[in-house]
Order: sequence, then structure tokens, then C-alpha cells
Amino acid sequence: QQQVKQSPQSLIVQKGGIPIINCAYENTAFDYFPWYQQFPGKGPALLIAIRPDVSEKKEGRFTISFNKSAKQFSLHIMDSQPGDSATYFCAASTGTYKYIFGTGTRLKVLA
Amino acid sequence: NAGVTQTPKFRVLKTGQSMTLLCAQDMNHEYMYWYRQDPGMGLRLIHYSVGEGTTAKGEVPDGYNVSRLKKQNFLLGLESAAPSQTSVYFCASSRGGAVDEQFFGPGTRLTVL
Repeated sequence: QQQVKQSPQSLIVQKGGIPIINCAYENTAFDYFPWYQQFPGKGPALLIAIRPDVSEKKEGRFTISFNKSAKQFSLHIMDSQPGDSATYFCAASTGTYKYIFGTGTRLKVLA
Repeated sequence: NAGVTQTPKFRVLKTGQSMTLLCAQDMNHEYMYWYRQDPGMGLRLIHYSVGEGTTAKGEVPDGYNVSRLKKQNFLLGLESAAPSQTSVYFCASSRGGAVDEQFFGPGTRLTVL
């Protein structure tokens, strides 16, 4: 019940495409859902986050869609660029200091 | 402002050896975390601390110990390394807990032979 299931494991898109990464959870007590971006050889960095009281949040080319009834949330990257090639992690938290991370999606954007 | 730094960046150990990983942050954060990252398994929390002098177990604490003697430092120890502890270790810190952004260090790649 504490798991966050992330898919797909890897994704290849052409430049300008819209990759979509999905996450699903079971624990209805989760109330904070961040996405982290990690480049090779670096630590993860916060990209965007959402609370369950909104269904969508946009920051630049990155959008989180949240479906509370389905217990799912997803990351969309508009007009993807080769510089977006990285590993993306979704996470969830109940506010008890701890994140539960998904298993990660390796994205490659072809030039 | 260096953020979160980790020492060392790489290390190779033999089974049974011990070592300590050092994490330091200069953001005056209360909360600090140690994660391990393994292929296909994402980031898993080993131990965390909600303030100087406090530590608590995460998802995968077995085989590790931690100490937070100073607010800015969080140490992760392996008393008797095992090949299963081969991983990339990340330290993170945050100002106020899980709903605040966690800032990650660059990682330590550990290989246990």
C-alpha cells in the first residue's frame, strides 16, 4: 500500500514530441506528489509538485495531471528537447518527512 | 553556497570492511536523509533525521548506522560491508519535512567486492 508504481521504465521520443510518464498509488493518505529530474552523474532535483486539491499544474513545458479518484498522476513534457533527456522519478508523501519514490523512467529525446 | 555535498564520490570496499559516508549541507536545514539508488528500484530511504541529535529508520535500514551530531552533517556508516550494499548513495536535506523540497547531493558510488 506504500508503493508508488511508475511506468514506463524507459521512453524514447522525437524532439517536439510529448512524453507522458504515469504513476499510480494506493495509499489515500498521500497528499503531496513531487516529480524529480535526474541527469547522469547528478543527484535528483525537484521539477514540479502538486497537491491533491488541484487536477493540473503547469510550470513552463512541464505539466502534472492528477486524478484523485483513480489514484493516478502523470507528467507531460510539451515540445520536448534533447536537453530533457534524463531520468524522471515521481514520489508521494503523507507529510511524515518521508517520500516514497517510483522506480524511475529513463527518457531519451532524439534530436 | 555549496548546497549538499557528499564525501567521497567513489569508493571500493572488500566484503567485511567498514566505512563512513559524510554528508554536509550549508542551508541550515533541519531534516536530512540518506537514500540508496539501485537500477529498477528507484530511491529507497535508509535513515533520516528530523534535527540535530535525532535519527530514525527508513525503508531499508539493515546494515547501516547513522549519526547527526551537528545540524549540518549527517553520517552514514557501514560496519561490515556486503556485496548487496553496492549502490549509489544520495544524501538529501529539506527545511521542514516531506512537503518541502528535498535538495540532493551528487551521490557516492560504492562498490563492495
